[in-house]
Amino acid sequence: NAGVTQTPKFRVLKTGQSMTLLCAQDMNHEYMYWYRQDPGMGLRLIHYSVGEGTTAKGEVPDGYNVSRLKKQNFLLGLESAAPSQTSVYFCASRQGTSGAQETQYFGPGTRLLVL
Amino acid sequence: AQSVTQPDIHITVSEGASLELRCNYSYGATPYLFWYVQSPGQGLQLLLKYFSGDTLVQGIKGFEAEFKRSQSSFNLRKPSVHWSDAAEYFCAVVTSGGSYIPTFGRGTSLIVHP
Repeated sequence: NAGVTQTPKFRVLKTGQSMTLLCAQDMNHEYMYWYRQDPGMGLRLIHYSVGEGTTAKGEVPDGYNVSRLKKQNFLLGLESAAPSQTSVYFCASRQGTSGAQETQYFGPGTRLLVL
Repeated sequence: AQSVTQPDIHITVSEGASLELRCNYSYGATPYLFWYVQSPGQGLQLLLKYFSGDTLVQGIKGFEAEFKRSQSSFNLRKPSVHWSDAAEYFCAVVTSGGSYIPTFGRGTSLIVHP
């Protein structure tokens, strides 16, 4: 049971390049989330999904797209990377069947540097 | 909309000293409250959570937190800090309706001096 995994761990992009971050969970969780973490800003929600085939915008969705084609995977895409997207990206999941008291399980993060 | 405030950006304590990290929330009804810890280079790990019942909750690694409705607070405490407790601590609140989207505080960085 690997929990939540993220690929890649670290990536350097040039402005304008595109990339996809992969999040995978093996806990059969319904809900999945993408956050970005910047110094002094805590975690800010980018997009989330409440089940396979669904996605919704979070607090800071601009410049990102997501897809949830399979229940276990949640992909975050950057179509044209900008330096402002330099950040640490965290994926999280939760079971989604027992209400608000459920714990979120986080991946180890992806560090992205956009030059 | 709910909000979470962690008023201390950094806290420095000596090893063996007691610790209290503050968390205040803004929400009309009783929220579901969480504390997470993030070690350097790692993801977030749940320390403890409150959603009903006893207002003093015990967590992992010797941490506890007390929910005080009158003060809209959920402060994290530990009686004796270990050097391995140095990390970033996040308070989060989830409301009972909707898609259960957590709101996180900005975090408190704990520095432990030997």
